[in-house]
Amino acid sequence: AQTVTQSQPEMSVQEAETVTLSCTYDTSESDYYLFWYKQPPSRQMILVIRQEAYKQQNATENRFSVNFQKAAKSFSLKISDSQLGDAAMYFCAYREINTDKLIFGTGTRLQVFP
Amino acid sequence: EPEVTQTPSHQVTQMGQEVILRCVPISNHLYFYWYRQILGQKVEFLVSFYNNEISEKSEIFDDQFSVERPDGSNFTLKIRSTKLEDSAMYFCASSASRSGANVLTFGAGSRLTVL
Repeated sequence: AQTVTQSQPEMSVQEAETVTLSCTYDTSESDYYLFWYKQPPSRQMILVIRQEAYKQQNATENRFSVNFQKAAKSFSLKISDSQLGDAAMYFCAYREINTDKLIFGTGTRLQVFP
Repeated sequence: EPEVTQTPSHQVTQMGQEVILRCVPISNHLYFYWYRQILGQKVEFLVSFYNNEISEKSEIFDDQFSVERPDGSNFTLKIRSTKLEDSAMYFCASSASRSGANVLTFGAGSRLTVL
């Protein structure tokens, strides 16, 4: 069965610094999708970034970028120039092609200090 | 920006009671989902719904659960006879398509507490 592992329950970063959140997953599929979702204290999950497994180029969205290592089944999220508003729970998620189901990791709580 | 809205934000119920959680998906979305998150645990997929029928469901989604789209705008999750272990945050989500890396838009959640 597919699993998603986030080994860092909590991380902290100083404002303006860079932080990397780890995610690994297990699958026997060759094509799939990976996502990072952010869940601020208001609890509405928001998509941060997504990656198609068949694309070798790492996805980037402004200050957010991923390091996708397909062979290692690793999908880390890098947040550059961290802002106070980045403080949230971050979930890594996996979805196979032709399925509706997102499989989430346990999440990493990110604190941002001024 | 369009939102998925969920009501109630918090419901407390007695074990054995029926509960209906309501969701208004984004208006032009065609795919609807329910997920749940037991406190301190992972967000888990419950069910997906398209064209007025369930398209996929998880092992959690047993006969105690049902979903429907009663009026073309609301999307509801019914728990027929609640158990203590149903206490969780329930998230509704919707998406415009199923293909590709389709993006789910989540609601803020409904917290269910079963006593």
